[in-house]
Amino acid sequence: GDSVTQMEGPVTLSEEAFLTINCTYTATGYPSLFWYVQYPGEGLQLLLKATKADDKGSNKGFEATYRKETTSFHLEKGSVQVSDSAVYFCALSPPNSGGGADGLTFGKGTHLIIQP
Amino acid sequence: NAGVTQTPKFQVLKTGQSMTLQCAQDMNHEYMSWYRQDPGMGLRLIHYSVGAGITDQGEVPNGYNVSRSTTEDFPLRLLSAAPSQTSVYFCASSLGDRSQEKLFFGSGTQLSVL
Repeated sequence: GDSVTQMEGPVTLSEEAFLTINCTYTATGYPSLFWYVQYPGEGLQLLLKATKADDKGSNKGFEATYRKETTSFHLEKGSVQVSDSAVYFCALSPPNSGGGADGLTFGKGTHLIIQP
Repeated sequence: NAGVTQTPKFQVLKTGQSMTLQCAQDMNHEYMSWYRQDPGMGLRLIHYSVGAGITDQGEVPNGYNVSRSTTEDFPLRLLSAAPSQTSVYFCASSLGDRSQEKLFFGSGTQLSVL
């Protein structure tokens, strides 16, 4: 079945450092790929997405590129801030799903801690 | 905008008790779903619905029931709570349009079963 693998952390960085959170997936065909972010005490929010190979999703300084050849969707940010501290989830939606209605497959989440 | 509203935010149950977690959305979304979040496990799909009157099982449906009598509401029922159901529960909704795939999540219900 479909699966998503991501580094679990916690990942601890200093403010203004470069961030990479790795995400790889296993799926048939061309799934849609997502990064969701969960701030403390809140539900998940969509951060960015990509729906086809070589697409780059970007939002709030974060970006990720859909790499079919390496089945990856790594999240990057050039200069992190304390406010970026959160849990980040990589997820996929199979190509034959109804817009995510029948559920996304999530990774286990990466806890990011940014120190001033 | 209210978005997805879950109640209660916290609940403590004794083994064998029953309860219903409420979920409502005001965005006229056709699709709604329930996930549980456990440490080191990420989010796992419990049940989902693609429209009023239609429900289906997700990855971990045992011990939970759902119904969808209206577009707005999608309650999750625990008929006989077990300690293994201690978790954080999230309700989510989406338009269901693949061109606008995006899940909207509620703020969660933290459930402890003693």
